[in-house]
Amino acid sequence: DVKVTQSSRYLVKRTGEKVFLECVQDMDHENMFWYRQDPGLGLRLIYFSYDVKMKEKGDIPEGYSVSREKKERFSLILESASTNQTSMYLCASSSGLPFTDTQYFGPGTRLTVL
Amino acid sequence: KNEVEQSPQNLTAQEGEFITINCSYSVGISALHWLQQHPGGGIVSLFMLSSGKKKHGRLIATINIQEKHSSLHITASHPRDSAVYICAVRYNYGGSQGNLIFGKGTKLSVKP
Repeated sequence: DVKVTQSSRYLVKRTGEKVFLECVQDMDHENMFWYRQDPGLGLRLIYFSYDVKMKEKGDIPEGYSVSREKKERFSLILESASTNQTSMYLCASSSGLPFTDTQYFGPGTRLTVL
Repeated sequence: KNEVEQSPQNLTAQEGEFITINCSYSVGISALHWLQQHPGGGIVSLFMLSSGKKKHGRLIATINIQEKHSSLHITASHPRDSAVYICAVRYNYGGSQGNLIFGKGTKLSVKP
C-alpha cells in the first residue's frame, strides 16, 4: 500500500513565523504535490514536483516555496506566515507523468496562523 | 474559465438507499477522478476514468464525454459511506496536460 505521511496533523503558528510542512512517501513516486483546502473552495494546487530538485508552480504559489532534495520527501515552506494561510494542507504523490495517474493523499495538516 | 460543478452540495440519505452524486465540467478533459474525504481530512482516490463506467464493490462511476458529465453512484448505502465526495478533472490545454481542477465536494450523510 502506498503511504503518504505528513509531519503534523495540527499546527499553530504566529504571524511572521517561518513554517515547514513535511511530506514523505514510501512508493518511489516521481511526482509530489501540495494542495490547500478551504471551505467552499475545494482543493487548490500550490506547487508540485516531478523529480528531485524540480518544481512547478500551481494555481496559488504566492507566499509559499517548496523543496525536494530527496525523492521521497517534499517540503512546503511558508516564509512568513500570515493569517490568510490558515488552512488544511494536503500532500499527495503519484507515478508517471504528473496528473495522469491516481494521486495518493496524506492525512493533511490543519495549520492555524494567529 | 474551466470549472467543475458538483451537485448536490449536501445530501442526507437513509441506510440502504441508492445515492447519486453528479459532476459537470465545461470543456474537453483527458481524465476525471472521484475522491472520498472522511472527517479528519484524509483523501482516498476512488476512481479515475476517461470513458464509460467503472465499478468497485458498491461504488459505480460513469462518464458521458459528449454531455461533459459524470456520476458517482453508491448502492445499498451505509453510515460508513458518510464523507465528502470530490470530483476532479484534468483538462486538455491544446494537447498539453493541465493540472487537476477540483469541485467543491458533496457532503453525504447516511443515517442508520
